[in-house]
Amino acid sequence: QVQLVESGGGVVQPGRSLRLSCAASGFSLSSCTMHWVRQAPGKGLEWVTFISYDGRNKYYADSVRGRFTISRDNSKNMVYLQMNSLRAEDTAVYYCARMDSGDPYRGFDYWGQGTLVTVSS
Amino acid sequence: SYELTQPPSVSVSPGQTASITCSGDKLGDKYACWYQQKPGQSPVVVMYQDSKRPSGIPERFSGSNSGNTATLTISGTQAVDEADYYCQAWDSGTVVFGGGTILTVL
Repeated sequence: QVQLVESGGGVVQPGRSLRLSCAASGFSLSSCTMHWVRQAPGKGLEWVTFISYDGRNKYYADSVRGRFTISRDNSKNMVYLQMNSLRAEDTAVYYCARMDSGDPYRGFDYWGQGTLVTVSS
Repeated sequence: SYELTQPPSVSVSPGQTASITCSGDKLGDKYACWYQQKPGQSPVVVMYQDSKRPSGIPERFSGSNSGNTATLTISGTQAVDEADYYCQAWDSGTVVFGGGTILTVL
């Protein structure tokens, strides 16, 4: 069955870096655009970034552009989120989510369980 | 940047109809999706392309989208439907979520 498993979260000081990973299984990663969506404690969902099926196109939310970088390795069924210059407001559960690259209007059909990132001194 | 606005909360009695709205400029010209999120769980898509139900979503869930407003309707609301609901759309190559609506069944 389809599974997305995030890892790499933890406590980090402001200004430092962290790299999240998302391991995909049960489907062909190369057929999907992959996204990161975050949710601050007690708050709503915030889209962060996505990467096209082939890795050529990447889009970012204004709040993270220039600090976060998304990447993927289809051969390893992995998606990554490199987060630099972290701020307290980046504290959130980060979800990896997939979207059919052929039909993005079907929405996010699978989500991971999320990994918590806490930015605090 | 594009914004989607949802009411913070909606209350409904069991068995009644709940309507959750999502407003955005010319939202009817875009496709809207809806997600249900229960405490401690990841979101689940309950509606896509305005009015299509994914496999496994009960028929009591329906959707519409016209003008500036998309609406998620739950007919015969059950206690199990109590959750947070988020609308989502695409705008200029980016994904936008509404602020979320807490649905209370009481």
